[in-house]
Amino acid sequence: GAGVSQSPSNKVTEKGKDVELRCDPISGHTALYWYRQSLGQGLEFLIYFQGNSAPDKSGLPSDRFSAERTGGSVSTLTIQRTQQEDSAVYLCASSFGTSGGAPQYFGPGTRLTVL
Amino acid sequence: SQQGEEDPQALSIQEGENATMNCSYKTSINNLQWYRQNSGRGLVHLILIRSNEREKHSGRLRVTLDTSKKSSSLLITASRAADTASYFCAMPRGVYSGAGSYQLTFGKGTKLSVIP
Repeated sequence: GAGVSQSPSNKVTEKGKDVELRCDPISGHTALYWYRQSLGQGLEFLIYFQGNSAPDKSGLPSDRFSAERTGGSVSTLTIQRTQQEDSAVYLCASSFGTSGGAPQYFGPGTRLTVL
Repeated sequence: SQQGEEDPQALSIQEGENATMNCSYKTSINNLQWYRQNSGRGLVHLILIRSNEREKHSGRLRVTLDTSKKSSSLLITASRAADTASYFCAMPRGVYSGAGSYQLTFGKGTKLSVIP
C-alpha cells in the first residue's frame, strides 16, 4: 500500500546539465501527472499520462522538457540543458482512472535547484 | 484557463478556533477538490465536492459549493497546530471531454497558521 514515490528528493545541478526525475505511482493507477511548483506559487501542470501515452503535453514549458512512462508504471521527467528558471519542486501524482473526478495522490516531490 | 483563487492568502488563528478559506473560480466545473500541502512538498487530497452537491463533510472539514456564485469554502473546525499548512482548491480544466479534462488547475493557496 505504498504511496507515490519520487526520486531524488533533492537535486542540485549546474546550469546546462541534464537531469532526470523519477516517479513511481501507486500500483494500479492508470493516470500519472507531472506538475511543478515554484516558490510560493500554485501548481503548474506539465504533462499527463494515460497508460504509457501522453494525450496532453500542453504544459511542458519548452522542448528541453520531455517525459516518458513505461509499463504503465514508472515515469521519468527529463530536463535538458537546465536553466536557473527550472528551479522548482517537481511533483508527480497518480490517480485510478481518468475521470476528472478522481482524486490525485501526490508524491513528496523533487526539489530541483539549478545553480 | 480555469483557475481557482483562494482567499485569504494567509490566515493565522489560535488552536481551537475555526478556520474558513474561500475559493472562487471562473468557468463551469464538474467538481472542485481541496488539497493540503505541508512544508512545500507533496499535496494531500482532502475532499471532493461535485457540482450537484452543496455541502460535504469529512471529519472536522466542511466544504460548501455555490455554483451560482462560482465559489467554494473550506471550514476546519476546532483547529489544531497540526492543521498548519497551505490549502489549495483545484478543479479539472475541462468538463469531462477531451484532453485536458483530467488536468487539475490550482490556485496559489491559503497559508494557514494555527498557533498552539
